[in-house]
Amino acid sequence: DSGVTQTPKHLITATGQRVTLRCSPRSGDLSVYWYQQSLDQGLQFLIQYYNGEERAKGNILERFSAQQFPDLHSELNLSSLELGDSALYFCASSVTGGVGEKLFFGSGTQLSVL
Amino acid sequence: KNEVEQSPQNLTAQEGEFITINCSYSVGISALHWLQQHPGGGIVSLFMLSSGKKKHGRLIATINIQEKHSSLHITASHPRDSAVYICAVGGGSQGNLIFGKGTKLSVKP
Repeated sequence: DSGVTQTPKHLITATGQRVTLRCSPRSGDLSVYWYQQSLDQGLQFLIQYYNGEERAKGNILERFSAQQFPDLHSELNLSSLELGDSALYFCASSVTGGVGEKLFFGSGTQLSVL
Repeated sequence: KNEVEQSPQNLTAQEGEFITINCSYSVGISALHWLQQHPGGGIVSLFMLSSGKKKHGRLIATINIQEKHSSLHITASHPRDSAVYICAVGGGSQGNLIFGKGTKLSVKP
C-alpha cells in the first residue's frame, strides 16, 4: 500500500459528460502529480501541484483542470469527454516535489467513455 | 523518434535467469526512474537514479549519464517479477517525467 488513495477505481460515462477524479496523497506529502496512461500514448504527465499551487504543467488538455485543496487532496476534472479520454489516470505524491524524491503512486482510476 | 526508448519491448525468461532491461534517452535529465507496473495496474517506484548504481534485493539499476543509458537488472528471476517495467526521465520538475513504452516481462516457472 503506497498510502496514496484514488477514488473512484472505475468510472463509466458518456461522451460530453464531466467527471471528477479524486486523490489523497500520503500523509505529509505536499506535492501531487497527475498522469494519464492510454494504450496508444502510454504514460503522460498532466500536471503537478505543490501545497495548493500549480508547479508544472504537461500534456493536459484545456478541457481538463485540476486543483489541490488546503487539506492537500487533489481533484482532476475532465469535461466534454471524448472517446479518446478513456484511459487509466494515476495520481502520485512526494514530500516536496524536489528532484531526487521518490514518487508514490495511487492504484489509478480507470475511465471508460462510451 | 521517442525521447525515451526501452528494449526489449517483451521479454520471456525462465525462473532463475538473469534479466537486463535497457533504457536510452535523448534529453538532458536530472533523474531517471525505474517503475514496475503489475497486471492489476498499480505502479511502484523501484529506483530513482541521477548517477552510478543502486541495488535493492535482487534488483540493480545503473545509469551512464555520458552515454544517456540506464539498465535494470534482475538476478535470480522469479515468476512474481512478471510485470511491465517502465523507464522515465525527469528534467527540472520532479514529476514532469517522460516515460518509455515499457518492457513486458514474463518469468516462467
